[in-house]
Amino acid sequence: GQQVMQIPQYQHVQEGEDFTTYCNSSTTLSNIQWYKQRPGGHPVFLIQLVKSGEVKKQKRLTFQFGEAKKNSSLHITATQTTDVGTYFCAGSFNFNKFYFGSGTKLNVKP
Amino acid sequence: SAVISQKPSRDICQRGTSLTIQCQVDSQVTMMFWYRQQPGQSLTLIATANQGSEATYESGFVIDKFPISRPNLTFSTLTVSNMSPEDSSIYLCSTNAGSEQYFGPGTRLTVT
Repeated sequence: GQQVMQIPQYQHVQEGEDFTTYCNSSTTLSNIQWYKQRPGGHPVFLIQLVKSGEVKKQKRLTFQFGEAKKNSSLHITATQTTDVGTYFCAGSFNFNKFYFGSGTKLNVKP
Repeated sequence: SAVISQKPSRDICQRGTSLTIQCQVDSQVTMMFWYRQQPGQSLTLIATANQGSEATYESGFVIDKFPISRPNLTFSTLTVSNMSPEDSSIYLCSTNAGSEQYFGPGTRLTVT
């Protein structure tokens, strides 16, 4: 089946440090989405990337889509305790159905 | 945007029984999706439900076990049939609105 791989599984950082999570697919993606899920909550949409090499920023968050549209990354600059949660990428191969990566659980120590 | 509600929010069921989960969207949408998320795990796509056609199931999921209805453009149900403890999970429905995907709050199912 279609698979989207995501690393690392866990990341523990000190508040103020940077954080990056990576996703990759063996097959070219049509587009990729990123989500944040807090404990006990449901996934909340952050952003969608469609174009090869696309880079989007949301305040301290930077999202990239690889040139080959097979990988993507989410980078958080100067983490805060409010960034705690699990970050998921979700890739699509046909712009419709999305397959989620395994997620990266971020813990930020104050 | 889309606001999604689900019923029930949680349930504890005995093995061998069935549970139907309802998903209501506050606007008309073409596609609705059902996911499963086991504790501490990622989301797994179960099926895609379009109004007026049979649901499309992902590998490892079959209609007999997870029948889906999509009677109109704002509503869908997922039934978990002949439940076993392995079906204990959170079941989420979702839909697209523009380029964003929205999720319902989920139904936490425990099978004893």
